[in-house]
Amino acid sequence: EAGVTQFPSHSVIEKGQTVTLRCDPISGHDNLYWYRRVMGKEIKFLLHFVKESKQDESGMPNNRFLAERTGGTYSTLKVQPAELEDSGVYFCASSPLAGAAYEQYFGPGTRLTVT
Amino acid sequence: RKEVEQDPGPFNVPEGATVAFNCTYSNSASQSFFWYRQDCRKEPKLLMSVYSSGNEDGRFTAQLNRASQYISLLIRDSKLSDSATYLCVATDLNSGYALNFGKGTSLLVTP
Repeated sequence: EAGVTQFPSHSVIEKGQTVTLRCDPISGHDNLYWYRRVMGKEIKFLLHFVKESKQDESGMPNNRFLAERTGGTYSTLKVQPAELEDSGVYFCASSPLAGAAYEQYFGPGTRLTVT
Repeated sequence: RKEVEQDPGPFNVPEGATVAFNCTYSNSASQSFFWYRQDCRKEPKLLMSVYSSGNEDGRFTAQLNRASQYISLLIRDSKLSDSATYLCVATDLNSGYALNFGKGTSLLVTP
């Protein structure tokens, strides 16, 4: 069974540019999460989708971040315009809808560098 | 105050040693707890859940003390392959399924 995949693995952009990160969850996992790790800090929750609906977006830093999950399959996270402090590793995770919903499977992450 | 705090280490131990990591959480509403493992430049992977009664998975034992808001992970007979960062995780009912991570404790097992 394929795991969570993320694209791209690395992205280097200039301040003010736009970047879109993509996450493909494990097939059949209705829960999809985005997390971010800024250098020197802990991994922080950004938001949670259940199918195509945003269940919790309390961790989104500001309105420069936009997450979508049209059709309830893959998700995108767009940063527009990017700022220096957005640099970090963005992880996506997925889990089944019921039962082991807390057992989240993480993708390899996208390492974003804003210069 | 951070929600989940861990000693960052690094812990350097020889193969075969027993090592223990501690973690504290500040939110008394936290209800589920986990240990994740993260290898260098890789994604976090669930190592084990932590139950109130304590639980064991092979060489790994996890303990939870709700009164002290304290979680521990004990690794016995350390292997070289145990070298990684161990992340303590808590969740609470008010935050849905969001995982609250500690910064992690780094372990290096040496020959």
